[in-house]
Amino acid sequence: ELKVEQNPLFLSMQEGKNYTIYCNYSTTSDRLYWYRQDPGKSLESLFVLLSNGAVKQEGRLMASLDTKARLSTLHITAAVHDLSATYFCAVDLYTSYIFGTGTRLKVLA
Amino acid sequence: DSGVTQTPKHLITATGQRVTLRCSPRSGDLSVYWYQQSLDQGLQFLIQYYNGEERAKGNILERFSAQQFPDLHSELNLSSLELGDSALYFCASSVDLNEKLFFGSGTQLSVL
Repeated sequence: ELKVEQNPLFLSMQEGKNYTIYCNYSTTSDRLYWYRQDPGKSLESLFVLLSNGAVKQEGRLMASLDTKARLSTLHITAAVHDLSATYFCAVDLYTSYIFGTGTRLKVLA
Repeated sequence: DSGVTQTPKHLITATGQRVTLRCSPRSGDLSVYWYQQSLDQGLQFLIQYYNGEERAKGNILERFSAQQFPDLHSELNLSSLELGDSALYFCASSVDLNEKLFFGSGTQLSVL
């Protein structure tokens, strides 16, 4: 059974700190997506990673994909309160998409 | 505003009933996706259409069906509703495959 595991599930961090969210998946795929969801809101697409070694950055967030390790990371640099949200990764299996459990991030002032 | 329109925003119905959720993608987007989000099952991909054709299928129950029309809007039909079908249903669209998705605000379905 395909599993997409994110860790941590919950993350509370101080403003200004750095941290990484991990997304591990158990099958072969070279496509992975990251999304953000604010409480009570819809999802927002953050990154589309389409090949091994892909790295994308926007603002304080940087995502990478290592298809050999079946691992994607979402790195947060110098966190600010506005980054507080739930972050999901999703693996593209070409015929389906599987979401991770989500990481609920809270950035404390 | 993402440009993706979902109607209705809220829907309350009874078990055994049938409902239709509607999604209008962003202008020019050919691909439409449906997702279900609930507390117990998390975020689940249901189905994807590309330019009118089914492209990918996830954990969509047989009681559920969807289609994309020639004008590219999509409908998700849920029938013989059960309490467990209560969830938030999202639609998303993208201009092409493997492109960034834009999500609608969702339809909150409550089955009583």
